[in-house]
Amino acid sequence: GAVVSQHPSRVICKSGTSVKIECRSLDFQATTMFWYRQFPKQSLMLMATSNEGSKATYEQGVEKDKFLINHASLTLSTLTVTSAHPEDSSFYICSAPGQGPYEQYFGPGTRLTVT
Amino acid sequence: AQKITQTQPGMFVQEKEAVTLDCTYDTSDQSYGLFWYKQPSSGEMIFLIYQGSYDEQNATEGRYSLNFQKARKSANLVISASQLGDSAMYFCAMREGWDTGFQKLVFGTGTRLLVSP
Repeated sequence: GAVVSQHPSRVICKSGTSVKIECRSLDFQATTMFWYRQFPKQSLMLMATSNEGSKATYEQGVEKDKFLINHASLTLSTLTVTSAHPEDSSFYICSAPGQGPYEQYFGPGTRLTVT
Repeated sequence: AQKITQTQPGMFVQEKEAVTLDCTYDTSDQSYGLFWYKQPSSGEMIFLIYQGSYDEQNATEGRYSLNFQKARKSANLVISASQLGDSAMYFCAMREGWDTGFQKLVFGTGTRLLVSP
């Protein structure tokens, strides 16, 4: 089946710094990718829809200037958490839809810890 | 209003028994899809089963089956012959408006399943 990778799998950064998370579709092209955030023991919350060649669409309440999304190619979307704070510590997961209605391929997730 | 409701924060089942995880949804769309995912402690999202709104038969995938009751807007997951490896978080999710190009998923709050020997 289709594979989506994320890098890094874990990252620890200091408060005030920025961190970039990559999401790649390895064997298929994805004009759209989704970024989710999951706090401990909670559900996945959609943050934004990443669109290749155009601006990302952010969900209500998600700060565009804090969570920068760039979908530079048909296989790569990046999420940059700018000026990270401890409350940004979370599990970030990306996904990319396939052709069929049931196809949605998730990356393995990135665990971000801000100290 | 919640789009996806999972009312069971935790469920316990003995090995080899069947268990039903509840999911109700809210949509006014005619075309939508319902998903169940398993999330072990590693965090990866494992696709289990899918039911399209136009599918007349309940979906089945091995030990997983989806009890789809459209009029009641429920899509319960049934796991038969539970195994210890089934212990995990289970999420119900919905994708609305498939025929209009919508592709994003909305997730429920999840149910933690614990299978005991």
